[in-house]
Amino acid sequence: GENVEQHPSTLSVQEGDSAVIKCTYSDSASNYFPWYKQELGKGPQLIIDIRSNVGEKKDQRIAVTLNKTAKHFSLHITETQPEDSAVYFCAATTDSWGKLQFGAGTQVVVTP
Amino acid sequence: SAVISQKPSRDICQRGTSLTIQCQVDSQVTMMFWYRQQPGQSLTLIATANQGSEATYESGFVIDKFPISRPNLTFSTLTVSNMSPEDSSIYLCSVGRAGGPTDTQYFGPGTRLTVL
Repeated sequence: GENVEQHPSTLSVQEGDSAVIKCTYSDSASNYFPWYKQELGKGPQLIIDIRSNVGEKKDQRIAVTLNKTAKHFSLHITETQPEDSAVYFCAATTDSWGKLQFGAGTQVVVTP
Repeated sequence: SAVISQKPSRDICQRGTSLTIQCQVDSQVTMMFWYRQQPGQSLTLIATANQGSEATYESGFVIDKFPISRPNLTFSTLTVSNMSPEDSSIYLCSVGRAGGPTDTQYFGPGTRLTVL
C-alpha cells in the first residue's frame, strides 16, 4: 500500500520568513495530494491540494509543488504569520474521495 | 465544501463501556470515513461507512470493536465498544463526493475521547 513520509517533524520560523514542508510517496498510482492544517483542538482543515496532471498550484501565500518522477511534493508558505502556527499534514491517494494515506505531520511554530 | 458536525465534541468514559459518536453533514455526500488520531500522532483510517451496507474496515480494525452505521447520505455513527485507556484518541469523520475535478475530503471537528 501507499506510504507517505513527511519532513521535518518540527519547524520553527521567524514571522515573515518562508516555511517548506516536504513529503514523499511510494505508490506511483497516487494522483491526488491534499494538505491539511490542524490547529489545537480542531479537525484538519484542507488548505490546498494538487492533482498529478499539475506541477504547481498557488493560493495567496501558500503553494504546493509536485514532482511525479521523484514522487515527492512540497508545501511552501511565504511571509509566515503567527496564525500559521499549527500542525500540517500531507496526504496521498489514488482518488480524491478515496482512502487518504497521511504523513506523520509537521509542527510549525511562527515566532513574532 | 461541506459543513460537518460531530457529537459529542468530547467525553470522558470508564473502561468497559461504549460510546457512540455521531457525524452529520449539511448535504448529501457519496463517501463518509472514520479516522482515529492518537495523541500527538497522525490520522489513521478506521473504516469507510457505506450507505445501506456494512462498513469496509482497514487492517487492524474490526466491526465488533468499532461498529458503524450509515442509514442515509448525510449521517453516520461510530461506536467505540468495550473501551480501554488505549482507545483514548480523537475520532474524526470525513466526507467526500465522488466525481468531478474539485471534489475532495473534508473533516469534521472531531470527538475527543478519554477513557479512564
